[in-house]
Amino acid sequence: RKEVEQDPGPFNVPEGATVAFNCTYSNSASQSFFWYRQDCRKEPKLLMSVYSSGNEDGRFTAQLNRASQYISLLIRDSKLSDSATYLCVVNDPEYGNKLVFGAGTILRVKS
Amino acid sequence: ETGVTQSPTHLIKTRGQQVTLRCSSQSGHNTVSWYQQALGQGPQFIFQYYREEENGRGNFPPRFSGLQFPNYSSELNVNALELDDSALYLCASSLAIGEGSPLHFGNGTRLTVT
Repeated sequence: RKEVEQDPGPFNVPEGATVAFNCTYSNSASQSFFWYRQDCRKEPKLLMSVYSSGNEDGRFTAQLNRASQYISLLIRDSKLSDSATYLCVVNDPEYGNKLVFGAGTILRVKS
Repeated sequence: ETGVTQSPTHLIKTRGQQVTLRCSSQSGHNTVSWYQQALGQGPQFIFQYYREEENGRGNFPPRFSGLQFPNYSSELNVNALELDDSALYLCASSLAIGEGSPLHFGNGTRLTVT
């Protein structure tokens, strides 16, 4: 079983749509969770950390369900510029901030 | 704007050769991690350096080695290159090795092995 699993997509949505991505992780001892965004042939960039109580940053909302070992990212009012690969990331508890990445979910927002 | 810089940006090598990739961490960051990202995959952890010592290693063979210098810059060396080593190599720095410290990536070095 992969440490971090994501639906690869692609998710093709129209501008203005709401889209949600899910991710599951295997190590129940993981304590840090993030969503990164990666544009084609560029480096991953931190989108947001994910906190136990859930958190929001503008149009983006992240949720964590520790019992189910499940993380989600909701994007409201999608923009063309949101088109990217979204990487779900958790820490390896053996190494503090060694981060384990999922393979990513591709989002394509179309006009 | 990321403070992590990597060089070179692109590199083409032949199978069996050796390569050295370089990384300067963001100002104030004392931890450097290296990742390999193959096409269509997420980044895979190679190793991490904290205060010039290796602090964890992923599932990569010994021909992948690294160094961290007193100014916290770092090198990744790969010997006896194989075709499967073709990938984007990412360096990331962070403030500490503790949990909750997100990584800040450089632009990466795209290595092609022919």
